[in-house]
Order: sequence, then structure tokens, then C-alpha cells
Amino acid sequence: GENVEQHPSTLSVQEGDSAVIKCTYSDSASNYFPWYKQELGKGPQLIIDIRSNVGEKKDQRIAVTLNKTAKHFSLHITETQPEDSAVYFCAAEPTGNQFYFGTGTSLTVIP
Amino acid sequence: KAGVTQTPRYLIKTRGQQVTLSCSPISGHRSVSWYQQTPGQGLQFLFEYFSETQRNKGNFPGRFSGRQFSNSRSEMNVSTLELGDSALYLCASSLYRTSYEQYFGPGTRLTVT
Repeated sequence: GENVEQHPSTLSVQEGDSAVIKCTYSDSASNYFPWYKQELGKGPQLIIDIRSNVGEKKDQRIAVTLNKTAKHFSLHITETQPEDSAVYFCAAEPTGNQFYFGTGTSLTVIP
Repeated sequence: KAGVTQTPRYLIKTRGQQVTLSCSPISGHRSVSWYQQTPGQGLQFLFEYFSETQRNKGNFPGRFSGRQFSNSRSEMNVSTLELGDSALYLCASSLYRTSYEQYFGPGTRLTVT
């Protein structure tokens, strides 16, 4: 089955700096790659996603890049703010609605 | 539009008992997936239902089962509870299947003692 690896497991940045989280996947059948943000006591919240026919997608301060050849994708958050502090998960979907998740990155933005 | 709702939010059960969790998807969404989240194993896929039929199943024992009703609401059941079943159980809904956005509910926190 699909195997998704995520790095780093923890990340601390100063407010205003950028944060980058990287994921790799193993199944070439995966074509959809969402990113989720999970705050304490809440369910994961979809923040951005990318499909295999696109190399990059941006939404305000958040961007995702995808390299299908290398089987890796990354989340970029610019101008970080304290409210960006949370656990971020990447995921890959090799088959209908069956997502495989990375192990999560705990992001702390220091004011 | 209301989000995904899950009931109950918290549950405490004893080993050997069974439990039923409920999920109401976003209005109009036809696919419901269930995940188990634990500190040790992370987020793991349990199963997915679409049009009242189980379409995919993760690597969990047969004690874990589910169903979907004609209004797309879904339930999952865990029989003969074990301590290791303590987890946050998350439900996610999607409009259709494959490469569509999945939206998660707040989860049900199950504690088995």
C-alpha cells in the first residue's frame, strides 16, 4: 500500500518567517494530495490541496508544490503568524477517498 | 452550510463492551470515510461508504464495522472493545469519490478502560 513520509516532525519559526514541510509518497497511482491543519481538540481542517496535473498551487500565504517524478510534495507557509501554530498533515490518495497520512508536523510560530 | 457532525464527542467504555459512533456528513455529500487517530499510529483509514455500500476498507480487524443510511449518515461499530481501541475516531465527508476534498468532523474521543 501507499506509504507517506513527512518531515520535520517539529518546526519552530519566528513570526514573519517562512515554514516548509515536506512529504514523500510511494504509490505512483496517487493523484490527489491534500494538506490538513489540526488544532488541539479539533478535527483536521483542509487548508490546500493539489492534483497530479498541477505542479504548484497557491492560496494567499500558503502554497503547495508537487514533483510527481520524484514523488514528493511540499507545503510552504509565508509570513507566519502565531495562529498558524498547529499540527500539519500531508496525505496521498491512491484510490477513491482512501487517504494515507503523514505522521504530522507540529509547527510553533514564536511571536 | 453545516459541517460534519459526530456524536457523541466523548465516550468511556469498558473492555469487552461494544460501541456505536455516529456521523452526519455535510449536506449533499455522499461519501463518508472513517479514520482512527492515535499518538502512536497517527491517522489510519478504517473504511469508506458511498451510496450505502462499503467501497474501501483499511487494515483493521472485523470487530470494526460500519454502515451508511440512505440519507448518507453513517455509523461505525466496534465490538469486544480492547484497551488499544482508545483513540479519536474521525469521520470525513466528500461530495463524490476520488480526488475530491474531504472535510473532517471534530471526532469522537473513545476511552476504553
